[in-house]
Amino acid sequence: DTAVSQTPKYLVTQMGNDKSIKCEQNLGHDTMYWYKQDSKKFLKIMFSYNNKELIINETVPNRFSPKSPDKAHLNLHINSLELGDSAVYFCASSQETGVNQPQHFGDGTRLSIL
Amino acid sequence: AQKVTQAQTEISVVEKEDVTLDCVYETRDTTYYLFWYKQPPSGELVFLIRRNSFDEQNEISGRYSWNFQKSTSSFNFTITASQVVDSAVYFCALISSTSYGKLTFGQGTILTVHP
Repeated sequence: DTAVSQTPKYLVTQMGNDKSIKCEQNLGHDTMYWYKQDSKKFLKIMFSYNNKELIINETVPNRFSPKSPDKAHLNLHINSLELGDSAVYFCASSQETGVNQPQHFGDGTRLSIL
Repeated sequence: AQKVTQAQTEISVVEKEDVTLDCVYETRDTTYYLFWYKQPPSGELVFLIRRNSFDEQNEISGRYSWNFQKSTSSFNFTITASQVVDSAVYFCALISSTSYGKLTFGQGTILTVHP
C-alpha cells in the first residue's frame, strides 16, 4: 500500500496552460506539504497544511494554489504555467506540524513545460 | 534563519570503499531535529534517520553510521563498504522548533559508487 501517492507521475504541457497535481496520504497524518525540486536538485518547501488549514506559504507566486478538501488530500493547482515551473514536485506528510516529525514523501511529479 | 550546507557536490568511490558525506547546519533554536534522506536514481525520497539536538550519541544502522557534533554544528553520514546500490543523491535537512515543520534541505551530495 502506497503511503503518500501523487498523480500524475509525469506531466508535460505547454506554457500558459493550467494543471493540477493530486496528492493523497493513507497514513492518518494531520500535516501535508508541497516541495519543489529544481533542475539542480535543490529542494524547497512551498506550502504546508495542518488539518486543512494553511500553515506555511513560502512566498510562492499566486499562480500556485493548494487545495485541501480533507486532511488526507492536498492538491496543487497551477495557473498560467511558465517555463520556470518545470521541476519535480513532491508531496509529503507528517503526523503533526512538529519539530520531531519525519516527513514521508511521495514519489514526485515531474512537470515539464514546453 | 536556518541553513544546511553540504559542501561536497559530488563524490565518486569504488565499491567497498568507505565514504563520509558532510553536513553543517545553522540555527538559532536550541531545539531542532536533523534528518538524512536518500534520493536514488528512480527519484523518490527515502527517509534514513532523524536525530534531535539533545542527543549527541552516534548511531549505527548496518553499513550506515551518523556522527552528530553540536560543537561543530555537523551531522555527518558515513557509509562503510559502499555498494553500487548506494549510488544516489543524499540530502541533509533540519527542522527547528520555530519552523512549523518546514524542512530546510542542504544542496545534496551526489554519490556514485563504481563497481
